Amino acid sequence: EAGVVQSPRYKIIEKKQPVAFWCNPISGHNTLYWYLQNLGQGPELLIRYENEEAVDDSQLPKDRFSAERLKGVDSTLKIQPAELGDSAVYLCASSLGRSEQYFGPGTRLTVT
Amino acid sequence: DQQVKQNSPSLSVQEGRISILNCDYTNSMFDYFLWYKKYPAEGPTFLISISSIKDKNEDGRFTVFLNKSAKHLSLHIVPSQPGDSAVYFCAASARSGGFKTIFGAGTRLFVKA
Repeated sequence: EAGVVQSPRYKIIEKKQPVAFWCNPISGHNTLYWYLQNLGQGPELLIRYENEEAVDDSQLPKDRFSAERLKGVDSTLKIQPAELGDSAVYLCASSLGRSEQYFGPGTRLTVT
Repeated sequence: DQQVKQNSPSLSVQEGRISILNCDYTNSMFDYFLWYKKYPAEGPTFLISISSIKDKNEDGRFTVFLNKSAKHLSLHIVPSQPGDSAVYFCAASARSGGFKTIFGAGTRLFVKA
């Protein structure tokens, strides 16, 4: 069974540029999460989807971040414009309801 | 406000001995706890979980203990193996909080051969 797929794995952009990350969850998993992980910290939730509905986006900086999960399967997270402080690893995870989460390898974003 | 705290940034253990990783939490509404393991350049991988109705859960070499009165849980790995060297994250969630999972900062375990 394929795991959670994320692309790209690495991205380097200049500040004020836009960037997008893509995630394909495990087949059949209705819950999808986007996390941000800074160095030396644990993952912090940005947004959680139940099917195509965003049920928790309270930590998503909506002035520059957006996300979508069309048809309740794969998802895209966008930052526009990127700031230096956005440099981090962006993790996608999926689960069946409240069960344990399965994480993708993450996208390491560097904003210069 | 850190609701889930892992106060030891790192731990070093000899191969074959027991590794004990600790985690404290502040939110008494947490009712489900998990441990994840992370290798470099990979995402976290689920290891073991425990519901608040239990005080112990065991899976092979891994055992999680929950002390609700102390708001403390620990992960025991015995015997420790060099392949266990990784970062371990403690996580907690609450039904009342919409099941949002809060992660600790992680503890890096080194198992020396």
